[in-house]
Parts: sequence; C-alpha cells; structure tokens
Amino acid sequence: NAGVMQNPRHLVRRRGQEARLRCSPMKGHSHVYWYRQLPEEGLKFMVYLQKENIIDESGMPKERFSAEFPKEGPSILRIQQVVRGDSAAYFCASSPGTSGRARNEQFFGPGTRLTVL
Amino acid sequence: DAKTTQPNSMESNEEEPVHLPCNHSTISGTDYIHWYRQLPSQGPEYVIHGLTSNVNNRMASLAIAEDRKSSTLILHRATLRDAAVYYCILRPLTQGGSEKLVFGKGTKLTVNP
Repeated sequence: NAGVMQNPRHLVRRRGQEARLRCSPMKGHSHVYWYRQLPEEGLKFMVYLQKENIIDESGMPKERFSAEFPKEGPSILRIQQVVRGDSAAYFCASSPGTSGRARNEQFFGPGTRLTVL
Repeated sequence: DAKTTQPNSMESNEEEPVHLPCNHSTISGTDYIHWYRQLPSQGPEYVIHGLTSNVNNRMASLAIAEDRKSSTLILHRATLRDAAVYYCILRPLTQGGSEKLVFGKGTKLTVNP
C-alpha cells in the first residue's frame, strides 16, 4: 500500500507566480490535512478537507491560499502571487476517517519544499 | 487546544533506553495522548498513542501517569535512526470537531554512537 504522495518534492517560484502543491492520500483515505513548516519553526495546521468539502480552514492565511480535494484526483494546495515569506515545507497527511480507532492516526507525506526567489 | 510541555533537547547513547517526558497538566478526561516524530528532512511519523493505560508497540512504549498530567515516551534501545524531533500532542475525542494536530516545539533527540 503506497503511502501519502506529494509532488513536486521541490518547487521554486519567483515572487508573484503561482504555486500548486499536490497530495495523493493513501488508498482508502478520505480525509486530507495540510500543514506548513517555516524554516526553524514548528509544524502549523492549515486546512482539513474531506472529499469535496473543507471542514476546517482555521489555519489558512486569509488571502492568496486555497485548497481543494475533488471527488476524483489529488488534493491541491494553491498559493497565488507567492512572496518570500511563503518559502517553507508543506506537508500533507491523510487518515481513513473518524470512526473508531481509525481516526486516531495521520499518515504524512514527504513534503513539498517551496522556495520563493 | 490543550498544551503540552517538553524539554527542548535530550541526548542519548546508542543502544541505551531513552525516556522522553511530556507534561500536560490541563489535559481533559477525553484527550488522547499522541506521540509523533519527525526525522531530518522528512514528514512527521506516528509513534504511539494512549488514553489511560500504558501502551506498547513495535516502536516504543508510552507510560501515562495515574493522574494523566504527564506521560513518558520510552525508546527501549535507541539507534542512530531514532534521532528526530519528538512531539507530544493531545487530541480531544470529540465528534464533529476538527481533526487537526497541534504541534508544539517538541524535543530534539540526539543519539550518540
């Protein structure tokens, strides 16, 4: 069973460009989470999605950031008009659901390292 | 979100046991205690979790104080591959709530050969 996949692993953008980060959850998982880790800082929750629904976006910056998890295909974290402060590692995690023991563990991907020049 | 307190760093020697402490004095009755770790340049990895009783799995053991205000992650024989930042996280068992993990600063474990 393949783990959580993220691509690209490294992404370089110039200020003002758009960044699209993709996350394919583990097979059978319907819940996706995005976290950001700024240089020398801890992991911060951004958004929690289920298929076609945003459940909790309390950690998302109010502007330029959006996320989706369509019925088919990977989850996408989109950053418009990137700035140098967006440079960070972005991690995606997935879980199978909230019933019973299954809700307790999140499986993380390897991350996408975004560098804004 | 309930808070946890961990030492910033700890050191251990290879093949010796390591006890990583975590204080969570404001824990509520339905909060699960979770541990994740993050190896260098990798995503976090689930280690173990528990509610009241001590727990063992292939990676580690979790010892939970009787009053649940603290817990200890135990690595029985540290290897160089265990060098990582270890996070102690409280997760409320509430239906319909957010599933987010709230990471603190964690404990950076260094394992000496």
